[in-house]
Parts: sequence; C-alpha cells; structure tokens
Amino acid sequence: DTAVSQTPKYLVTQMGNDKSIKCEQNLGHDTMYWYKQDSKKFLKIMFSYNNKELIINETVPNRFSPKSPDKAHLNLHINSLELGDSAVYFCASSQKDSFSGNTIYFGEGSWLTVV
Amino acid sequence: AQSVTQLGSHVSVSEGALVLLRCNYSSSVPPYLFWYVQYPNQGLQLLLKYTSAATLVKGINGFEAEFKKSETSFHLTKPSAHMSDAAEYFCAVVGNNDMRFGAGTRLTVKP
Repeated sequence: DTAVSQTPKYLVTQMGNDKSIKCEQNLGHDTMYWYKQDSKKFLKIMFSYNNKELIINETVPNRFSPKSPDKAHLNLHINSLELGDSAVYFCASSQKDSFSGNTIYFGEGSWLTVV
Repeated sequence: AQSVTQLGSHVSVSEGALVLLRCNYSSSVPPYLFWYVQYPNQGLQLLLKYTSAATLVKGINGFEAEFKKSETSFHLTKPSAHMSDAAEYFCAVVGNNDMRFGAGTRLTVKP
C-alpha cells in the first residue's frame, strides 16, 4: 500500500492550460504539504494544511490553489500554466506539523512539464 | 529563520569507501535535524533524524549522523559505500515553526 500517493506521475501540458494534481495519504496523518522541486533539486514548501485548514502559504503565485476536501486529501490546482511552473511537485504528510520533529512522508512526485 | 548548508553538491566515492556528506545549520532555537534520501525518479525518504535525544543518530541502510552543537553540524556518514547508495541526499533543519531543506548532495558510487 502506498502511504502517500499522487497522480498523475507525469504531466506534459501547454502554456495557459489549467491542471490539477491529486494527493491522498492513508497514514491517518493530520498535516499535508505540497513541495516544489526545481531543476536544480532545490526543494521548497508551497502549502501546508492541518486537518483541512491552511497553515502555511508560502509566497507562490495565486494561480496555485490547494484544496483539501478532507484530511486525507490535498489537491493542487494550477491555473494559466507558465513555462516556469515546470518542476516536480511532491505531496507529503506528517502526523502533526513538522515543527515538532515529526517525520514527513513524501509521495513519489508529479513531473510537470509546460511547453 | 533557520537555514542549512550542504557542502559539496556532488560527492563521488568508490564502492567500499567511507561516505561523508556534510551539513551545517543555523537555528535560533535548539533544532531538529533530518537527513532524507531521494533515489532517481522517487520521492524523499527519511534516513534518520535528531530530536534532542542522543547526539549520535543511527538510521537505515547503515547511515549515521552526529549532532555537534559547537560546530553547528550534522554530517552524515557510512563506513562502506554500496552501489545502491547512489542518490541525492538532503539535510533539513526544523526550529521556530520553520523547516528548511538544504540544496542536496548527489552521491555517486564508483565500482
């Protein structure tokens, strides 16, 4: 059983399109995250939700909108895709927030290429 | 804010040689420290973490790291590299409601 699963794994789309990446965790965790990893492997947090409530919203364009229908799901919707959005997007979860030393469990990533 | 510096974006060792991946951190409060590993085309996986218990932390796959407060370091070591250790390794620091990842170190293992 995959603990944190995200779909699709690969996504190639044209500039200007709108796309979504879905994420589900079956670990019973309270907190979920979206991270972006750029071509240089730099990993940066985008959003964090705790029990469906947004607790971290880093400086990302408002074209990116997370949605958490329940605490096991955190989807990422991206409007008007731009070339610079090409990256690997990781969904992750932890028991409670990561600031108490809780381990973050990552999904396998979604490779987004905007052409 | 916390920060972490990984010295060396690329480390190459021979199979059977010592692995040493360096991580220095900056934190205004006692930190939690993590090492994660990322194999090609996969997500990050926890290797080990320091949460203010023992300063020498043992992790999976024979890796260990030592927290040295005086040096603000948390270097990752393994006595003998295996080919399967080839991956990207990330150090991360948590403190003051903030978590930061380092830029990563790519480990190459030569036969």
